[in-house]
Amino acid sequence: EVQLVESGGGLVQPGGSLRLSCAASGFTFSDHYMDWVRQAPGKGLEWVGRSRIKANNYTTEYAASVKGRLTISRDDSKNSLYLQMNSLKTEDTAVYYCARVQCAGSCYDYWGQGTLVTVSS
Amino acid sequence: EIVLTQSPVTLSLSPGERATLSCRASQSVSSYLAWYQQKPGQAPRLLIYDASNRATGVPARFSGSGSGTDFTLTISSLEPEDFAVYYCQQRTSWPPYTFGQGTKLEIK
Repeated sequence: EVQLVESGGGLVQPGGSLRLSCAASGFTFSDHYMDWVRQAPGKGLEWVGRSRIKANNYTTEYAASVKGRLTISRDDSKNSLYLQMNSLKTEDTAVYYCARVQCAGSCYDYWGQGTLVTVSS
Repeated sequence: EIVLTQSPVTLSLSPGERATLSCRASQSVSSYLAWYQQKPGQAPRLLIYDASNRATGVPARFSGSGSGTDFTLTISSLEPEDFAVYYCQQRTSWPPYTFGQGTKLEIK
């Protein structure tokens, strides 16, 4: 059974940092692109960024709103995806989901349960 | 950036009725469009990918159609568990991989 479990969310002050983790199981993690998607309270879904696989040199892509502040990494030996969040702003407050990319890159077939990040003083 | 506009914002229907949800792209996304269902407190669930392909385990009452800029998600006969928020998403022009703003399907 495919499972994605996020952790690391919490309350942080503006300008602070946080590191989210996504533990994957039930599939060959190293074979899949993985994305982070967020959802502000009561709002819609926003793509945050993408982690590609070793065959694509582990390249990453980011939304303009987070570029330079959020960094995605992965550790295939630990079947884990990470989101390092620096210089956090109040508008980064959201539930953060990790999602497995499928459909030749055009859909997400599995999502984690999400972890809430609250940026507030 | 491609903008996806969903309509209506809210759709009020009764169980057993047919639901038609629309997603319009600001420029062509070919057939690279997916639909997701999200219930309160839950992660989104993939329903349809590549505009018209049902994901594994999705009931046959859900169907998708369209290509280019205009897409439709149809639920042929609403079940009580279908009342939720629905999002479309494209990946043709990337990054970013944009989502629509959502359509809330509520019980009338």
